[in-house]
Amino acid sequence: DAGVTQSPTHLIKTRGQQVTLRCSPKSGHDTVSWYQQALGQGPQFIFQYYEEEERQRGNFPDRFSGHQFPNYSSELNVNALLLGDSALYLCASSPDKLNTEAFFGQGTRLTVV
Amino acid sequence: TQLLEQSPQFLSIQEGENLTVYCNSSSVFSSLQWYRQEPGEGPVLLVTVVTGGEVKKLKRLTFQFGDARKDSSLHITAAQPGDTGLYLCAGVWSSYKLIFGSGTRLLVRP
Repeated sequence: DAGVTQSPTHLIKTRGQQVTLRCSPKSGHDTVSWYQQALGQGPQFIFQYYEEEERQRGNFPDRFSGHQFPNYSSELNVNALLLGDSALYLCASSPDKLNTEAFFGQGTRLTVV
Repeated sequence: TQLLEQSPQFLSIQEGENLTVYCNSSSVFSSLQWYRQEPGEGPVLLVTVVTGGEVKKLKRLTFQFGDARKDSSLHITAAQPGDTGLYLCAGVWSSYKLIFGSGTRLLVRP
């Protein structure tokens, strides 16, 4: 049983560009959340998707948007990249909307230059 | 704004020593989770505690949830080098999102 998979694992983008990160949840999980983890910090909640809709959103600007597909996979899009967007982006899936068990992928390391 | 404070931020100990990591908030949690994260990897769930006063054990790790469900602790007995990593607590409030603490970075020296 594959766990949560994210792609790509590493990415380098130029300031002002746009990026799309992808996540496939653990089998049987229908809730996907995205987190941003800066170096030396704990993950910060970006948003959560359930039934193809954004249910919760953290304190992130509209440049951060997402999507969930009918097969529960998800994308995170970031527009107009800033140097400060450089971080590890983590996807987590849960079997329920209560996040009683969250399983994380290995993350995508985004570097903005 | 819900905040979780973890202490200490860094801990460097000798193999065989005991340690305790703390997680505190002014808010009441629906539940609290502890994760361990290694460099280049995502966090891995260790335990979820739900009931105030609950104690859970995972081999040499003991997790405790405060009676008021505002704080938690992780105690490691006889630490080993394999315990090295970033320990994160995460609280779930009524909004169903996970709020993480800033983490405790543990180094166990052989």
